[in-house]
Amino acid sequence: DAMVIQNPRYQVTQFGKPVTLSCSQTLNHNVMYWYQQKSSQAPKLLFHYYDKDFNNEADTPDNFQSRRPNTSFCFLDIRSPGLGDAAMYLCATRIAGGYNEQFFGPGTRLTVL
Amino acid sequence: DQQVKQNSPSLSVQEGRISILNCDYTNSMFDYFLWYKKYPAEGPTFLISISSIKDKNEDGRFTVFLNKSAKHLSLHIVPSQPGDSAVYFCAASSFLQGAQKLVFGQGTRLTINP
Repeated sequence: DAMVIQNPRYQVTQFGKPVTLSCSQTLNHNVMYWYQQKSSQAPKLLFHYYDKDFNNEADTPDNFQSRRPNTSFCFLDIRSPGLGDAAMYLCATRIAGGYNEQFFGPGTRLTVL
Repeated sequence: DQQVKQNSPSLSVQEGRISILNCDYTNSMFDYFLWYKKYPAEGPTFLISISSIKDKNEDGRFTVFLNKSAKHLSLHIVPSQPGDSAVYFCAASSFLQGAQKLVFGQGTRLTINP
């Protein structure tokens, strides 16, 4: 089945220790998104890639970076995680053009100790 | 500044009855609206959508209504089934420089009681 996969599903890191979350997709969608969702809050868009073009949201902290080495993979790097970065991180994909939905992965729950 | 609001954090409905989930938005630039359903430990799953040129879209037991003048949309589920118990997110879409961006509400936890 075509899908969006996120690894790991659960990640524990220490305060200030860099961490990388990964997302892969078999849908061949050209747009990929990263969202942050804190407990009982709405998912919040961090950035997205339209093909290789990176688009950062204005309020996304510099601590968050992303890489997309090819169509299938996208990474979220948190350079120096703080306690406030503990959240669920959701990856989504979409095929550009027209009105259509985004497909989400299962998410990675990040814990910062 | 919350552009999309779901004012009911939770809703409890009896099996077989109608579930109505509500969503309000403030930005008149939004032109496409989606509902997602989320089970625990899973990502959001697309349920149904509506574009701003319509006021109703129906798919089986699910119907979404859009009232543009009131900047309000609602999701009706009828009849409600136990498997519908989940968190439902409303999302509003705008296109900037060719890319779709979604703004989500906080979600409503729907519980269907047998």
